[in-house]
Amino acid sequence: QQPVQSPQAVILREGEDAVINCSSSKALYSVHWYRQKHGEAPVFLMILLKGGEQKGHDKISASFNEKKQQSSLYLTASQLSYSGTYFCGTDISNSGYALNFGKGTSLLVTP
Amino acid sequence: DVKVTQSSRYLVKRTGEKVFLECVQDMDHENMFWYRQDPGLGLRLIYFSYDVKMKEKGDIPEGYSVSREKKERFSLILESASTNQTSMYLCASTPLGTLGEQYFGPGTRLTVT
Repeated sequence: QQPVQSPQAVILREGEDAVINCSSSKALYSVHWYRQKHGEAPVFLMILLKGGEQKGHDKISASFNEKKQQSSLYLTASQLSYSGTYFCGTDISNSGYALNFGKGTSLLVTP
Repeated sequence: DVKVTQSSRYLVKRTGEKVFLECVQDMDHENMFWYRQDPGLGLRLIYFSYDVKMKEKGDIPEGYSVSREKKERFSLILESASTNQTSMYLCASTPLGTLGEQYFGPGTRLTVT
């Protein structure tokens, strides 16, 4: 039930864009995105709901394709502070909180 | 400011010991979770609780049990620690009935020797 994230790792220069993908083999009710910096706890970025509603970060955008059971996180004009590991969490039970997290995508932004 | 605290940042235990990991949240959240995080495997849910004395198994409950006697406290118990339980353990909480963020604690890095 663990969603699949791609790529596993990406290195960017400051100002470049990146896309992180998350796909599930099961129907999704919502997709949640978190970022974890080295040595810190994961921090919530965004939630995407069936029907298109989004809640979260104002500088990071995401999409949710319900039919394809996929979500993508878009990091535009990346900043050094974007470095970290990004996790998607998928809700397949409509509980709204019991999530299955992917293995993570490591993002490094260099000067 | 919301807060989830965990009893220890680092813990070293011997094989066969009984281990208690404690998590406390001060946000009056109904839902609490225990995850373990291993390199290359991401976050895997061990157990969660949606109310006092209620618990549900996650994806990897084997070798673990939990206790929730008070709303603010959720304990993870390793009845007989083994070396393959060496990991980072993260606790999280979220309010009931919201599609919102999980608040994570700082984690406990457990080493079983």
